[in-house]
Amino acid sequence: AQSVTQLDSQVPVFEEAPVELRCNYSSSVSVYLFWYVQYPNQGLQLLLKYLSGSTLVKGINGFEAEFNKSQTSFHLRKPSVHISDTAEYFCAVSYNTDKLIFGTGTRLQVFP
Amino acid sequence: DGGITQSPKYLFRKEGQNVTLSCEQNLNHDAMYWYRQDPGQGLRLIYYSQIVNDFQKGDIAEGYSVSREKKESFPLTVTSAQKNPTAFYLCASDAGGTGELFFGEGSRLTVL
Repeated sequence: AQSVTQLDSQVPVFEEAPVELRCNYSSSVSVYLFWYVQYPNQGLQLLLKYLSGSTLVKGINGFEAEFNKSQTSFHLRKPSVHISDTAEYFCAVSYNTDKLIFGTGTRLQVFP
Repeated sequence: DGGITQSPKYLFRKEGQNVTLSCEQNLNHDAMYWYRQDPGQGLRLIYYSQIVNDFQKGDIAEGYSVSREKKESFPLTVTSAQKNPTAFYLCASDAGGTGELFFGEGSRLTVL
């Protein structure tokens, strides 16, 4: 079955440090990849998406992600985090334009 | 601005009562979805509808019902048959083609 794995349920980091949130998906010939962010008691907001073209995707709030087909990964990165980045982050994959499959989420906690 | 509106944001009910959560969108999207979110479990699909007057069960449909009489509206009823209804419920719509979802702000249901 198709699946998405977010390896870390929680990632603690100090402010201004770099961060990487990991996402792996089960292999498929055609995928669309997404990262969403969720602040407490709110809906999900799209951070960035990979549909085709350049494997390095830039999103909002200084985040970027790299599509790696050989490793079936789509890790999210930010070179310097802020307190305001504290939130839950979800990786999601669409296989052959079917409905999205979500990972279980990674809680990013930024400390001063 | 176009978007998805969910109401109410917070809802309390007694055991044995049915409750209906509202979801309205003005994005002109054909597909709409309901997800349930519990801590540490990510998003689980309850029901989805790809066109008016048609809907399909998701992964956890038992104890829930939906209707899709208008393109803009996709209400979810949490029935008394749902064994553990306390959760955060998210409605979303699909722009079509890639699986990208647009989310509402969510409704938090607490059963007392």
